[in-house]
Amino acid sequence: DGGITQSPKYLFRKEGQNVTLSCEQNLNHDAMYWYRQDPGQGLRLIYYSQIVNDFQKGDIAEGYSVSREKKESFPLTVTSAQKNPTAFYLCASSNEGHSGANVLTFGAGSRLTVL
Amino acid sequence: AQTVTQSQPEMSVQEAETVTLSCTYDTSESDYYLFWYKQPPSRQMILVIRQEAYKQQNATENRFSVNFQKAAKSFSLKISDSQLGDAAMYFCASFTGNQFYFGTGTSLTVIP
Repeated sequence: DGGITQSPKYLFRKEGQNVTLSCEQNLNHDAMYWYRQDPGQGLRLIYYSQIVNDFQKGDIAEGYSVSREKKESFPLTVTSAQKNPTAFYLCASSNEGHSGANVLTFGAGSRLTVL
Repeated sequence: AQTVTQSQPEMSVQEAETVTLSCTYDTSESDYYLFWYKQPPSRQMILVIRQEAYKQQNATENRFSVNFQKAAKSFSLKISDSQLGDAAMYFCASFTGNQFYFGTGTSLTVIP
């Protein structure tokens, strides 16, 4: 079945460490997104990518980095510069990156806790 | 930036009854899409319903329907015959340009 796989589901990190969250999709979607979810704040966009080797900052990109070397993969690195990284992270993809029949398909999420 | 507002942080409904979740949005674009997503305790986001702004007819999906008031920029979700499995966080979202914008969510409790 087609879908989005995020790993790991749970991750613990010590302060000062970088950590990478994996996101893989087999839906052949062009666009991929990373969102951060905190209680009471909905979903906030970190980064998005509409094509391979190109990505754009979202509203809260500081302290995060991404790459898009393959269409299927869009890993997110949470760097030590992110001041409050404890959160639930959601990866998503859509069938078009531009105005059209866009529907977001989400992964199951990754819960990052900084100790 | 576009904004999506959900003014009801929490709602409750008796099983088998009907409940309406409110959403308003702010956009200057003429071409956009609106969505309701459901996030159950598993935290897996699931698409409930989708509406194209250029369509006047309200979208429906089984027990779920929307009331799309374009002039008022309102997009409410009606859940009929509520079931225990409908208990979840519901997010209203818009798509315009090349980004999605989400509201802060409404937590729906279904009372047996």
